[in-house]
Amino acid sequence: QSALTQPRSVSGSPGQSVTISCTGTSSDVGSYNSVSWYQQHPGKAPKLMIYDVSKRPSGVPDRFSGSKSANTASLTISGLQAEDEADYYCWSYAGSYTYVVFGGGTKLTVL
Amino acid sequence: QITLKESGPTLVKPTQTLTLTCTFSGFSLSTSGVGVGWIRQPPGKALEWLVLIYWDDDKRYSPSLKSRLTITKDTSKNQVVLTMTNMDPVDTATYYCAHQLRTGYYEFDYWGQGTLVTVSS
Repeated sequence: QSALTQPRSVSGSPGQSVTISCTGTSSDVGSYNSVSWYQQHPGKAPKLMIYDVSKRPSGVPDRFSGSKSANTASLTISGLQAEDEADYYCWSYAGSYTYVVFGGGTKLTVL
Repeated sequence: QITLKESGPTLVKPTQTLTLTCTFSGFSLSTSGVGVGWIRQPPGKALEWLVLIYWDDDKRYSPSLKSRLTITKDTSKNQVVLTMTNMDPVDTATYYCAHQLRTGYYEFDYWGQGTLVTVSS
């Protein structure tokens, strides 16, 4: 069982926006602005989409945005495209003993 | 251009020790601030961070697996080696090595293709 809770699945139509939540605790998401999001297509390696809650690595479209409120982080994808259909995982720093906790993943379906 | 590639056995027996090698290019593990990590993913399940090694040979292990993991580096060969002892069928997973985005944090911006390791007798 993962430490961070994500919905198992979300869906949206092309052009719409979807938000994926990632709920942790005051020991991880709530205490650190070090939440990251990975996108993973079937059979492929994960790709870093967001770090530090809301920063995008070079090359990631600005359709992808991140935010955080209290113990819950969110990934929002606007202007959904077919290629956004993938699994999305959230990670959070959790201090100098545990280091990292992670979510169970959310399957995004583009209808 | 940063690339990483994992290599090692595809099948190990229970109780055996797994040794995986990550061979990389495009960066050096002797450069200050650089780190390489290992992450695994059981079939159909979530990602799990395992371990991280820094340019200065500092290491960080997942507390839940620390007793079974060892990570080393060979900067002359541009390789990082992961060993995991006492393998069990629940350790069946795709194992990835990845380049750390920045020192002190646990984000990975470049990943290998992964290698599937099956634990079975």
